[in-house]
Order: sequence, then C-alpha cells, then structure tokens
Amino acid sequence: QKEVEQNSGPLSVPEGAIASLNCTYSDRGSQSFFWYRQYSGKSPELIMFIYSNGDKEDGRFTAQLNKASQYVSLLIRDSQPSDSATYLCAVNGGFKTIFGAGTRLFVKA
Amino acid sequence: DARVTQTPRHKVTEMGQEVTMRCQPILGHNTVFWYRQTMMQGLELLAYFRNRAPLDDSGMPKDRFSAEMPDATLATLKIQPSEPRDSAVYFCASGQGGSTDTQYFGPGTRLTVL
Repeated sequence: QKEVEQNSGPLSVPEGAIASLNCTYSDRGSQSFFWYRQYSGKSPELIMFIYSNGDKEDGRFTAQLNKASQYVSLLIRDSQPSDSATYLCAVNGGFKTIFGAGTRLFVKA
Repeated sequence: DARVTQTPRHKVTEMGQEVTMRCQPILGHNTVFWYRQTMMQGLELLAYFRNRAPLDDSGMPKDRFSAEMPDATLATLKIQPSEPRDSAVYFCASGQGGSTDTQYFGPGTRLTVL
C-alpha cells in the first residue's frame, strides 16, 4: 500500500463547476498536509496547506482534512480552464514529506 | 523575488558519463530536497538535507548517486556512471524546516541519458 494515494484521473469537469480532488494517507501520525499544483512541464507550486481537522478556505480553493478517516481533499470552486493541471497531495509525518502520484484535472471550456 | 535556481535546465548525455546537477536554495532556507520525477514513478524523494547535513538519502541508488551541500548556497546531485533509466526530471526544493515545512521547488533539470 502506498503511503499517499490519489486517483490518477484524469478528472474532467466543465468550466464553472466544482472540482473535488481526494487523497488518503497511511501514517496516522501525519501532522501536515499540502496541496501542490503542477502544470505540464513546470515544477510543483504550493496551493494550500492544512494542519487541523476541518476546512480551510483560500479564494476558490478549500482544503478539507479528516484525520480520523485519514483523508484530505481539495475543492476548487468555479473551475477555470487555467486550473487544468496535475494536483499533488503531500503529507508530512514530522520527518519527511511524502507526495502522492497526483491527479490530473482537466477543466473544459 | 526569492526562488530556487537549478542548473543545467536540460542535459543530454551518453550512458556511462558523469552528470552533475546544481541547486541554489532560497537564502535563509535550511532544508534542501532532491526529487526525481518520471511518468511511471511520480515524484520520488532522493535526498534530504537540514542545515547542510544529510538526513535521509534512502531513496537514492547509493552505487551511482551522491548528494552533497558544500555550503549553504549550493547543493549538488551527481550521477556516475549515468544509465538510460536515470532519464527523468530532477527537482531541487528548499524550505525552512519542521513538520509544517512548505517546499519551494526549482524549475528542474531534464536529464536524458542515451
């Protein structure tokens, strides 16, 4: 079992819809959770981080964390074609950060 | 605008040759990471430094890969000898450390070994 799992996609949503990206992790002691966005041919860039159970909102992005169920999700409201990218979930258990393989998102205009 | 820099951006070499990739972390960051990314394996952690000391290099093939931080402004990743299976994009990232550490990625070095 991989330490951080994501559905590889592609996840296809129409412009203006809500895109929901999910991630599960195996280390119950994990403390910090990150979402990175990676455009094709570019390097990953941080979108959001979350440390506590519940929701954290930043503009069109909402990160949700449920430590009891060991999952973290990212919601993108009013999806735009420019949101089309691969989204990497990353989990830190106090020593090192483990990245998931990423979910490819495609937003159709 | 502080950012991580990497050189070279692209490298094409022949099997058996030595490859050296360089990274300049963001000034003030005390953690440096080397990752390899391929379509098949995704983003793999190769090595991790904190305050220039190697903390974890378990993801790195020890027989041919080596990573060092000669000083706080330079991290190097060396492959000797290189093999076609080493073809990938190698990213360097830096951060300020701790479990809440956010990593800032460089642009990557795209390596092709023929």
